[in-house]
Amino acid sequence: AQKITQTQPGMFVQEKEAVTLDCTYDTSDQSYGLFWYKQPSSGEMIFLIYQGSYDEQNATEGRYSLNFQKARKSANLVISASQLGDSAMYFCAMREVMDSNYQLIWGAGTKLIIKP
Amino acid sequence: EAEVAQSPRYKITEKSQAVAFWCDPISGHATLYWYRQILGQGPELLVQFQDESVVDDSQLPKDRFSAERLKGVDSTLKIQPAELGDSAMYLCASSLGGRRGYTFGSGTRLTVV
Repeated sequence: AQKITQTQPGMFVQEKEAVTLDCTYDTSDQSYGLFWYKQPSSGEMIFLIYQGSYDEQNATEGRYSLNFQKARKSANLVISASQLGDSAMYFCAMREVMDSNYQLIWGAGTKLIIKP
Repeated sequence: EAEVAQSPRYKITEKSQAVAFWCDPISGHATLYWYRQILGQGPELLVQFQDESVVDDSQLPKDRFSAERLKGVDSTLKIQPAELGDSAMYLCASSLGGRRGYTFGSGTRLTVV
């Protein structure tokens, strides 16, 4: 069963508009972490934001915020005031413990294109 | 800010040849990961090290892939012989755990011809 689901394969957004990238997850663990990464065409994977399952407030990092709805198992990334440089692949990932080791489970990604 | 170093950045090799990738994690990071990423997909874990020990290599095609981290610092991933289907981005990451997750290197883009 898919543990991380990103339902938007691709999105086009006008520059300066806000963007919401969807992510739902499936876990029976009480303690877990959710990450968003950005991957430009150059290939490197860039950490954006983290949300812990016990965090009471939604995480924010500059223009990035995470809309965490624990009961719905949803962790959507919101990018405010989008810029051309935001064009990239975006991956949602969940850290869980497997055989006593922490591992990241990845979604399939969303390709975001910002239009001028 | 400390970085994970990977080399080479790009590699073109012929089918059936051997190829090797190198990774130097952030100093002090005990956990090191090798991922393979097919274009348009999420990363797939190949092998996870804790210090010099392999803790998960369940997805590593062991008939042709090998990985080592002899002194618990830098690591090498080898493919022998390379096949056309091995063409992908190979990403190395290291981690201390916690809220920052993993730090990735720039990756090695492998093309097998």
